[in-house]
Amino acid sequence: AQSVTQLDSQVPVFEEAPVELRCNYSSSVSVYLFWYVQYPNQGLQLLLKYLSGSTLVESINGFEAEFNKSQTSFHLRKPSVHISDTAEYFCAVSVGNDMRFGAGTRLTVKP
Amino acid sequence: DTGVSQNPRHKITKRGQNVTFRCDPISEHNRLYWYRQTLGQGPEFLTYFQNEAQLEKSRLLSDRFSAERPKGSFSTLEIQRTEQGDSAMYLCASSLRTHEAFFGQGTRLTVV
Repeated sequence: AQSVTQLDSQVPVFEEAPVELRCNYSSSVSVYLFWYVQYPNQGLQLLLKYLSGSTLVESINGFEAEFNKSQTSFHLRKPSVHISDTAEYFCAVSVGNDMRFGAGTRLTVKP
Repeated sequence: DTGVSQNPRHKITKRGQNVTFRCDPISEHNRLYWYRQTLGQGPEFLTYFQNEAQLEKSRLLSDRFSAERPKGSFSTLEIQRTEQGDSAMYLCASSLRTHEAFFGQGTRLTVV
């Protein structure tokens, strides 16, 4: 079965600094990859996804992630973060109907 | 489209009591998922419906847990004889395609 490892449980950064949230997965078959964001007291929201095609995917709010098959990674990056990006970020891998989530990375953006 | 709706948002119950949660998916979404999320962890898959058929159940779903989706619309998740270890956020998600799941805000269960 597939699994997901988020390498950092907490990432504190200053506003306008770049950030990278790391995600590695394991699977013996082709997968779909996702990043979800969870703001306090809210449900998970899909941030971006990789299904096929270009290995670099972008979200509408400036985040991007790159699928690296050889390193089995799907790291999330943003060149300049805002206070409003403070949230919990979950990486997920899907094979068929089975979606597995990582333990999450808490991004805290400080002024 | 009002998104995935879950009720209640919060539930406090005494150990040994039964509880039932409801999930209303996005209309026309034929797939519905239940997850459980504990503090500091990512969501863990519990079960999956396609229309009214329950196609997959996790080993996490003990005999005290039962889920239904009558008529392929809303779904309920019942926990019988609740235990303190059942305290968690229960998340529902729906999708039209397997790779675009939309989540509700969850039901937070506290067993005292």
